[in-house]
Amino acid sequence: GQSLEQPSEVTAVEGAIVQINCTYQTSGFYGLSWYQQHDGGAPTFLSYNALDGLEETGRFSSFLSRSDSYGYLLLQELQMKDSASYFCAVGAAGNKLTFGGGTRVLVKP
Amino acid sequence: GAVVSQHPSRVICKSGTSVKIECRSLDFQATTMFWYRQFPKQSLMLMATSNEGSKATYEQGVEKDKFLINHASLTLSTLTVTSAHPEDSSFYICSARDAGGDQETQYFGPGTRLLVL
Repeated sequence: GQSLEQPSEVTAVEGAIVQINCTYQTSGFYGLSWYQQHDGGAPTFLSYNALDGLEETGRFSSFLSRSDSYGYLLLQELQMKDSASYFCAVGAAGNKLTFGGGTRVLVKP
Repeated sequence: GAVVSQHPSRVICKSGTSVKIECRSLDFQATTMFWYRQFPKQSLMLMATSNEGSKATYEQGVEKDKFLINHASLTLSTLTVTSAHPEDSSFYICSARDAGGDQETQYFGPGTRLLVL
């Protein structure tokens, strides 16, 4: 089976940097994805790492270390609109995704 | 980017009735769609994988006779919650994988909020 651990909540101020860690245990690994979900909305895709290293997409970056079964999402120059829940997800055979419990990010002025 | 729609966005029904939720890929073909359920302040739990032209694959603990899935075309999958009960009240979200695009990206619909009275 698959299991993922991520912090439940993080609070930061506008302009700050937040790192959301995700550790996983899987029986098969096809990559680590990150999704953002605002309250009442559907998840939106942020990034995907299949190989070790850092992927940068604007203010958001994602990192993966397969040997450590660990990844993180880095949110830079935080804005109020970044207040949302962030989920890491592991891909498995059949393109199934298993989601972590989610990290609620609260951005304060 | 690819767009997935769901209908209805919100439904309230009486206990014992059945509710059908549609998931459509609007600008791409999806041989595979996924149905998730999300309870308040919890993560998304995969319920089943919907395969075009074949039977759906259900995750452990999900009753296939209660949650009927039909993937009749490359752009439409339906989830029918049969004989709904209050404990079925949840946020149901579908996602689709673009058969001709990035195999690793799933596109999510806006979700359907079901309330069973």
